[in-house]
Amino acid sequence: GAVVSQHPSWVICKSGTSVKIECRSLDFQATTMFWYRQFPKQSLMLMATSNEGSKATYEQGVEKDKFLINHASLTLSTLTVTSAHPEDSSFYICSALQGAVETQYFGPGTRLLVL
Amino acid sequence: SQQGEEDPQALSIQEGENATMNCSYKTSINNLQWYRQNSGRGLVHLILIRSNEREKHSGRLRVTLDTSKKSSSLLITASRAADTASYFCATDPGSARQLTFGSGTQLTVLP
Repeated sequence: GAVVSQHPSWVICKSGTSVKIECRSLDFQATTMFWYRQFPKQSLMLMATSNEGSKATYEQGVEKDKFLINHASLTLSTLTVTSAHPEDSSFYICSALQGAVETQYFGPGTRLLVL
Repeated sequence: SQQGEEDPQALSIQEGENATMNCSYKTSINNLQWYRQNSGRGLVHLILIRSNEREKHSGRLRVTLDTSKKSSSLLITASRAADTASYFCATDPGSARQLTFGSGTQLTVLP
């Protein structure tokens, strides 16, 4: 089956630093990847849609200068949280689409804690 | 903002019992999907039902869809302790294939 990985699985950083999260499709090419954020005991909120070779499309209310997304290849998308603050602490999950398949394949998530 | 609401928010049952979760949404959809999330983990796709389908089965799972009421239900039969997780519905409006997730139901199956 289609497998999506994320790295790191968890990260703790100091306020003001930048953190990069990688999302990889391991056994398929993903033209589209999605980034979600999930706060404790809440649902997933779509942050942005990432298409290979083009700029990401951000959802309303998501600062594109703060959450930099790069989808440089068909198997890798990265999310960089710039100048992280404690309120950015959350669970970040990516997903990937395999061609015309309707199902999104989700990564295991990255837990970010900003001190 | 979230499109879907799920109820109940939390459900606790004994092993062997059936669990039913409901999802309501607001706009037209191409399909509706159900996912499971174990605590602190990623999402696992359970089942997809298209807008022209009314019922679908997969193992112990049964999903219904009523597009006139904009609602769906997920039934897990003969529940097991391993079914303990959060369950989310997600709607796909069509071409963009962007999912909008419901608020989720936390299911606890007691051994």
